[in-house]
Amino acid sequence: DAMVIQNPRYQVTQFGKPVTLSCSQTLNHNVMYWYQQKSSQAPKLLFHYYDKDFNNEADTPDNFQSRRPNTSFCFLDIRSPGLGDAAMYLCATSRTDRGAGGYTFGSGTRLTVV
Amino acid sequence: AQKITQTQPGMFVQEKEAVTLDCTYDTSDQSYGLFWYKQPSSGEMIFLIYQGSYDEQNATEGRYSLNFQKARKSANLVISASQLGDSAMYFCANPNAGGTSYGKLTFGQGTILTVHP
Repeated sequence: DAMVIQNPRYQVTQFGKPVTLSCSQTLNHNVMYWYQQKSSQAPKLLFHYYDKDFNNEADTPDNFQSRRPNTSFCFLDIRSPGLGDAAMYLCATSRTDRGAGGYTFGSGTRLTVV
Repeated sequence: AQKITQTQPGMFVQEKEAVTLDCTYDTSDQSYGLFWYKQPSSGEMIFLIYQGSYDEQNATEGRYSLNFQKARKSANLVISASQLGDSAMYFCANPNAGGTSYGKLTFGQGTILTVHP
């Protein structure tokens, strides 16, 4: 089945140690998104790619970076994780319309910072 | 600005009963869609149902249906015959076009649904 896969499912990192989360898709969708979701809160969009065009949200900290080397893969880099960056990170993809079924989410990576 | 509001932080329902989760939205788009997602404790975001603003009928998907009232800008999710496995967080979401064709999903605050046996 076509899907969005996030690895790893759980990630523990040390305070200040760079960490990379990965997302891959077999849907061939143009748009890929990264959301941060803290406990009992709504997902918050960090940035997204439309093909190779990177779009940062205005309030996304500089500590968060992203790479999309090809259509299938997208990475979230946290350069110096702080305790406040512990969260669930969700990757999603979409087509270029906004219709039903247009958004597909991965299972998420739950990041713990120690 | 795009805004999705879910006013029920938590809801309780008895197994096999129906429950309605509220969602109101505020959008300047002429054509828009509304999504509902279920998020169990494991964290994945599961798509439930979609309503397009120009759809003539309210959306239904199995036990899920949408009570869509365009004039009131509300899109409430109705879950019929609740099951224990329905216990989860539920999010209403709307793509914020922001000048794009694809839109970025904006989520409401979520409602935690607990189904009692």
